[in-house]
Amino acid sequence: NAGVTQTPKFQVLKTGQSMTLQCAQDMNHEYMSWYRQDPGMGLRLIHYSVGAGITDQGEVPNGYNVSRSTTEDFPLRLLSAAPSQTSVYFCASSQGGRETEAFFGQGTRLTVV
Amino acid sequence: QQQVKQSPQSLIVQKGGISIINCAYENTAFDYFPWYQQFPGKGPALLIAIRPDVSEKKEGRFTISFNKSAKQFSLHIMDSQPGDSATYFCAGGAGNNRKLIWGLGTSLAVNP
Repeated sequence: NAGVTQTPKFQVLKTGQSMTLQCAQDMNHEYMSWYRQDPGMGLRLIHYSVGAGITDQGEVPNGYNVSRSTTEDFPLRLLSAAPSQTSVYFCASSQGGRETEAFFGQGTRLTVV
Repeated sequence: QQQVKQSPQSLIVQKGGISIINCAYENTAFDYFPWYQQFPGKGPALLIAIRPDVSEKKEGRFTISFNKSAKQFSLHIMDSQPGDSATYFCAGGAGNNRKLIWGLGTSLAVNP
């Protein structure tokens, strides 16, 4: 069972470069989200989607774009990388509804130099 | 604003001891309170969760205690083991809103 798969696991970018973090889930979950995790800051929601074609902003959306063309995939795009975007990024999915369990990917460690 | 406050930030416990992590929430609409466990290099994984219609839920060595009037809930790890060393996150969620509001996490180290 693959669950939630994130690629790449590690990435180094130069300031100003753009890239896409990939996230795919094979559980037919409606709800997908992207978080960033920084030391002492917990998990901060970047963007989320409640279904194909529907996305919305979380608490820290600036500098990131998302799209949801299929149920399975939810890529996160960094438009112009900045050192402040150095972080560990997690994608999560859940079926939705009450008491829903969120399943997380293994994370992408991004360094912007 | 931080709607779920978690303490302590870090915790060191001896093997066999009890680990206690506390969370307090502000949003009275929250009706789902999960705890997630995260090992280094891994994503968080659901450990145990509670709804406010019960005051306690126990799964093995892990227990959630819930105090609705105080808007507080806590995770107790009995007979703590070195394998429990991880970061623990509490969270709150409301109704069918699948956006969880997270605490900042507690780094637990269990010494052998």
